[in-house]
Amino acid sequence: DIVMTQSPATLSVSPGERATLSCRASQSVRSDVAWYQQKPGQAPRLIIHSASTRATGIPARFSGSGSGTEFTLSISSLQSEDFAVYYCQQYNNWKTFGPGTKVDLK
Amino acid sequence: EVQLVQSGGGLVQRGGSLRLSCAASSGFSFTTYWMSWVRQAPGKGLEWVANLNEDGSATYYVDSVTGRFTISRDNAKKTLYLQMDSLRVDDTAMYYCARDEAGFEHWGQGALVTVYS
Repeated sequence: DIVMTQSPATLSVSPGERATLSCRASQSVRSDVAWYQQKPGQAPRLIIHSASTRATGIPARFSGSGSGTEFTLSISSLQSEDFAVYYCQQYNNWKTFGPGTKVDLK
Repeated sequence: EVQLVQSGGGLVQRGGSLRLSCAASSGFSFTTYWMSWVRQAPGKGLEWVANLNEDGSATYYVDSVTGRFTISRDNAKKTLYLQMDSLRVDDTAMYYCARDEAGFEHWGQGALVTVYS
């Protein structure tokens, strides 16, 4: 099974700052990676698919990059509504999620 | 508008059974998409559980539910199902249905399944 790891576990950021989240796959998943945002009591929301394509309605401050085993989600200028848990997921070989990165207020 | 409306969660004793349903709105062509179930144990991360192809002829499961859970669909009713048998305490989770594509863009609202011993 492909294992997804994420770092850091928690990222403390001030509004307006840039946030960079990392995700690593245990073997190559090409560009078959998605990123989700989840707030308490809500279903996850797709942010990025195909490693770098923003989902419908996602603001341009969100961007994804990477291929193979290393992936990054960047939020260029954090807004108050961006504080949440972010998960990466691979869908190249079955589907597995990373453990998540919590972005909280510094 | 794409909507997935779930039903069927609840409280069940260990070893029991439960069936979840996920009804799709008229906003998308249900018959042209794979569909998945994803779960999230309380305070934990996301885990993909099962999926199936457009006509239900191919199904796939995470190892931990293989032989106990059955995913199916009724395309005439635009409804996805998850039959859960031999439930364990560690199956306790919020269960989400999701449209399966490059990532999961559309999710149901979730159904809580609590298995007690």
